[in-house]
Amino acid sequence: ETGVTQTPRHLVMGMTNKKSLKCEQHLGHNAMYWYKQSAKKPLELMFVYSLEERVENNSVPSRFSPECPNSSHLFLHLHTLQPEDSALYLCASSQDQGKAETQYFGPGTRLLVL
Amino acid sequence: AQSVSQHNHHVILSEAASLELGCNYSYGGTVNLFWYVQYPGQHLQLLLKYFSGDPLVKGIKGFEAEFIKSKFSFNLRKPSVQWSDTAEYFCAVHGYNKLIFGAGTRLAVHP
Repeated sequence: ETGVTQTPRHLVMGMTNKKSLKCEQHLGHNAMYWYKQSAKKPLELMFVYSLEERVENNSVPSRFSPECPNSSHLFLHLHTLQPEDSALYLCASSQDQGKAETQYFGPGTRLLVL
Repeated sequence: AQSVSQHNHHVILSEAASLELGCNYSYGGTVNLFWYVQYPGQHLQLLLKYFSGDPLVKGIKGFEAEFIKSKFSFNLRKPSVQWSDTAEYFCAVHGYNKLIFGAGTRLAVHP
Protein backbone atom coordinates (compact mmCIF):
# COMPACT_ATOMS: atom_id res chain seq x y z
CA GLU A 1 0.00 0.00 0.00
CA THR A 2 1.61 3.23 -1.15
CA GLY A 3 -1.11 5.70 -0.21
CA VAL A 4 -2.22 6.00 -3.84
CA THR A 5 -5.44 4.26 -4.79
CA GLN A 6 -7.00 3.79 -8.21
CA THR A 7 -10.47 2.73 -9.29
CA PRO A 8 -11.60 0.72 -11.07
CA ARG A 9 -8.85 -1.89 -11.11
CA HIS A 10 -10.16 -3.41 -14.34
CA LEU A 11 -12.26 -1.87 -17.09
CA VAL A 12 -13.63 -3.19 -20.35
CA MET A 13 -15.20 -0.68 -22.69
CA GLY A 14 -16.37 -0.38 -26.23
CA MET A 15 -15.03 2.21 -28.61
CA THR A 16 -18.15 4.36 -28.27
CA ASN A 17 -18.28 4.32 -24.47
CA LYS A 18 -17.35 7.09 -22.07
CA LYS A 19 -15.70 6.13 -18.81
CA SER A 20 -13.48 7.71 -16.16
CA LEU A 21 -10.51 6.49 -14.18
CA LYS A 22 -10.06 7.80 -10.66
CA CYS A 23 -6.93 8.27 -8.61
CA GLU A 24 -6.66 9.42 -5.02
CA GLN A 25 -3.54 10.06 -2.97
CA HIS A 26 -3.45 10.25 0.81
CA LEU A 27 0.13 11.50 1.12
CA GLY A 28 -0.32 15.25 1.06
CA HIS A 29 1.61 15.50 -2.21
CA ASN A 30 1.41 18.44 -4.59
CA ALA A 31 2.08 16.67 -7.88
CA MET A 32 0.14 13.89 -9.61
CA TYR A 33 0.80 11.98 -12.80
CA TRP A 34 -0.87 9.69 -15.33
CA TYR A 35 1.25 7.05 -17.07
CA LYS A 36 0.41 4.45 -19.71
CA GLN A 37 2.11 1.05 -19.39
CA SER A 38 1.94 -1.16 -22.48
CA ALA A 39 3.57 -4.56 -22.83
CA LYS A 40 7.27 -4.43 -23.72
CA LYS A 41 7.28 -0.63 -23.90
CA PRO A 42 8.59 1.96 -21.44
CA LEU A 43 6.12 3.69 -19.19
CA GLU A 44 4.79 6.67 -21.08
CA LEU A 45 4.13 9.85 -19.18
CA MET A 46 0.77 11.25 -20.24
CA PHE A 47 -0.07 14.15 -17.94
CA VAL A 48 1.41 15.98 -14.99
CA TYR A 49 -0.45 18.17 -12.53
CA SER A 50 1.21 20.41 -9.99
CA LEU A 51 -0.97 22.15 -7.41
CA GLU A 52 -4.01 21.26 -9.53
CA GLU A 53 -2.60 22.90 -12.67
CA ARG A 54 -1.64 20.87 -15.71
CA VAL A 55 2.05 21.37 -16.38
CA GLU A 56 2.72 18.61 -18.89
CA ASN A 57 0.76 17.09 -21.72
CA ASN A 58 2.86 14.67 -23.69
CA SER A 59 1.10 14.84 -27.04
CA VAL A 60 -1.71 12.67 -25.77
CA PRO A 61 -4.76 12.29 -28.08
CA SER A 62 -7.77 14.35 -27.09
CA ARG A 63 -9.80 11.20 -26.45
CA PHE A 64 -7.97 11.22 -23.09
CA SER A 65 -9.01 14.14 -20.91
CA PRO A 66 -7.51 14.65 -17.43
CA GLU A 67 -9.08 16.50 -14.55
CA CYS A 68 -7.59 17.49 -11.21
CA PRO A 69 -10.28 19.03 -8.98
CA ASN A 70 -7.98 19.20 -5.94
CA SER A 71 -4.50 18.10 -4.93
CA SER A 72 -5.72 14.70 -3.70
CA HIS A 73 -7.76 13.60 -6.70
CA LEU A 74 -6.98 13.00 -10.34
CA PHE A 75 -9.29 11.72 -13.05
CA LEU A 76 -8.74 10.48 -16.57
CA HIS A 77 -11.85 10.76 -18.71
CA LEU A 78 -12.00 8.40 -21.65
CA HIS A 79 -14.17 8.64 -24.78
CA THR A 80 -14.15 7.05 -28.20
CA LEU A 81 -11.03 5.05 -27.43
CA GLN A 82 -9.26 2.72 -29.87
CA PRO A 83 -8.20 -0.90 -29.28
CA GLU A 84 -4.54 0.22 -29.19
CA ASP A 85 -5.39 2.24 -26.08
CA SER A 86 -5.71 -1.02 -24.15
CA ALA A 87 -3.03 -0.89 -21.45
CA LEU A 88 -2.37 -0.48 -17.75
CA TYR A 89 -2.93 3.11 -16.67
CA LEU A 90 -0.91 4.13 -13.65
CA CYS A 91 -1.37 7.10 -11.40
CA ALA A 92 1.50 8.44 -9.30
CA SER A 93 2.15 11.29 -6.93
CA SER A 94 5.20 13.08 -5.53
CA GLN A 95 5.78 15.82 -3.01
CA ASP A 96 6.51 18.37 -5.72
CA GLN A 97 6.85 18.42 -9.47
CA GLY A 98 10.05 19.51 -11.15
CA LYS A 99 12.32 17.95 -8.58
CA ALA A 100 13.78 14.47 -8.75
CA GLU A 101 11.62 13.13 -5.98
CA THR A 102 10.34 9.65 -5.45
CA GLN A 103 7.07 9.00 -7.16
CA TYR A 104 4.53 6.80 -5.43
CA PHE A 105 2.43 4.68 -7.73
CA GLY A 106 -1.06 3.29 -7.49
CA PRO A 107 -1.93 -0.28 -8.49
CA GLY A 108 -3.18 0.79 -11.90
CA THR A 109 -6.33 0.31 -13.94
CA ARG A 110 -6.11 -2.39 -16.57
CA LEU A 111 -8.12 -1.17 -19.53
CA LEU A 112 -9.35 -3.27 -22.42
CA VAL A 113 -10.95 -1.52 -25.37
CA LEU A 114 -13.02 -3.73 -27.63
CA ALA B 1 16.00 13.97 -25.81
CA GLN B 2 16.71 11.82 -22.80
CA SER B 3 16.18 8.07 -23.01
CA VAL B 4 16.81 4.93 -20.97
CA SER B 5 17.89 1.59 -22.36
CA GLN B 6 17.61 -1.69 -20.47
CA HIS B 7 19.57 -4.38 -22.23
CA ASN B 8 17.69 -7.49 -21.16
CA HIS B 9 13.96 -7.91 -21.46
CA HIS B 10 13.91 -11.27 -19.69
CA VAL B 11 16.34 -12.82 -17.22
CA ILE B 12 15.99 -16.27 -15.68
CA LEU B 13 18.13 -17.24 -12.69
CA SER B 14 18.31 -19.92 -10.05
CA GLU B 15 18.19 -18.99 -6.39
CA ALA B 16 21.55 -17.88 -4.97
CA ALA B 17 22.80 -16.77 -8.39
CA SER B 18 24.20 -13.27 -8.75
CA LEU B 19 22.22 -10.63 -10.61
CA GLU B 20 23.23 -7.70 -12.73
CA LEU B 21 20.69 -5.78 -14.79
CA GLY B 22 22.03 -3.27 -17.25
CA CYS B 23 20.78 0.30 -17.63
CA ASN B 24 22.17 3.01 -19.87
CA TYR B 25 20.80 6.49 -20.16
CA SER B 26 21.07 9.39 -22.52
CA TYR B 27 20.85 12.81 -20.90
CA GLY B 28 23.15 15.80 -21.02
CA GLY B 29 22.41 17.42 -17.68
CA THR B 30 22.80 16.51 -14.03
CA VAL B 31 21.29 13.09 -13.65
CA ASN B 32 19.12 11.66 -10.97
CA LEU B 33 18.67 7.92 -11.43
CA PHE B 34 16.18 5.43 -10.07
CA TRP B 35 15.39 1.76 -10.05
CA TYR B 36 11.77 0.81 -9.49
CA VAL B 37 10.41 -2.70 -9.02
CA GLN B 38 7.00 -4.18 -9.71
CA TYR B 39 6.32 -7.48 -7.96
CA PRO B 40 3.57 -9.70 -9.44
CA GLY B 41 0.19 -8.17 -8.71
CA GLN B 42 1.67 -5.23 -6.83
CA HIS B 43 2.23 -1.56 -7.52
CA LEU B 44 5.43 -0.07 -8.85
CA GLN B 45 7.71 0.92 -5.96
CA LEU B 46 11.11 2.51 -5.46
CA LEU B 47 14.06 0.15 -5.04
CA LEU B 48 16.85 2.73 -4.84
CA LYS B 49 17.91 6.11 -6.19
CA TYR B 50 21.03 8.14 -6.93
CA PHE B 51 21.14 11.91 -6.61
CA SER B 52 24.78 12.75 -5.84
CA GLY B 53 27.76 11.65 -3.77
CA ASP B 54 28.83 8.03 -3.47
CA PRO B 55 28.16 6.41 -6.87
CA LEU B 56 27.44 3.07 -5.20
CA VAL B 57 23.91 3.22 -3.92
CA LYS B 58 22.35 0.66 -1.62
CA GLY B 59 18.64 -0.02 -1.68
CA ILE B 60 16.11 -2.28 -0.08
CA LYS B 61 16.28 -6.08 0.01
CA GLY B 62 20.04 -6.25 -0.58
CA PHE B 63 20.02 -4.49 -3.96
CA GLU B 64 22.64 -1.97 -4.99
CA ALA B 65 23.42 0.03 -8.09
CA GLU B 66 26.53 1.77 -9.34
CA PHE B 67 26.50 5.05 -11.23
CA ILE B 68 29.33 5.17 -13.76
CA LYS B 69 29.25 8.58 -15.34
CA SER B 70 31.77 7.81 -18.07
CA LYS B 71 29.65 4.91 -19.26
CA PHE B 72 26.27 6.59 -18.75
CA SER B 73 25.28 3.50 -16.81
CA PHE B 74 23.40 2.67 -13.64
CA ASN B 75 23.42 -1.12 -13.37
CA LEU B 76 21.49 -2.93 -10.68
CA ARG B 77 23.15 -5.75 -8.74
CA LYS B 78 22.38 -8.30 -6.08
CA PRO B 79 24.94 -10.92 -4.97
CA SER B 80 22.44 -13.71 -4.30
CA VAL B 81 18.86 -13.62 -5.57
CA GLN B 82 15.85 -15.21 -3.93
CA TRP B 83 12.63 -16.57 -5.38
CA SER B 84 10.87 -13.53 -3.92
CA ASP B 85 12.93 -11.26 -6.20
CA THR B 86 10.84 -12.41 -9.15
CA ALA B 87 9.51 -9.14 -10.53
CA GLU B 88 9.86 -6.58 -13.27
CA TYR B 89 12.60 -3.99 -12.78
CA PHE B 90 12.55 -0.51 -14.30
CA CYS B 91 15.42 1.92 -14.59
CA ALA B 92 14.52 5.62 -14.82
CA VAL B 93 16.26 8.96 -15.22
CA HIS B 94 14.88 12.28 -14.09
CA GLY B 95 15.54 15.07 -16.52
CA TYR B 96 13.73 18.08 -17.97
CA ASN B 97 11.27 17.91 -15.07
CA LYS B 98 10.07 14.42 -15.87
CA LEU B 99 10.86 10.81 -15.12
CA ILE B 100 11.82 8.75 -18.17
CA PHE B 101 11.58 4.97 -17.80
CA GLY B 102 13.24 2.10 -19.59
CA ALA B 103 11.16 -0.73 -21.03
CA GLY B 104 11.79 -2.93 -18.00
CA THR B 105 13.48 -6.27 -17.34
CA ARG B 106 11.40 -9.21 -16.27
CA LEU B 107 13.31 -11.38 -13.76
CA ALA B 108 12.24 -14.92 -12.95
CA VAL B 109 14.03 -16.71 -10.12
CA HIS B 110 13.61 -20.46 -9.89
CA PRO B 111 13.95 -22.31 -6.57
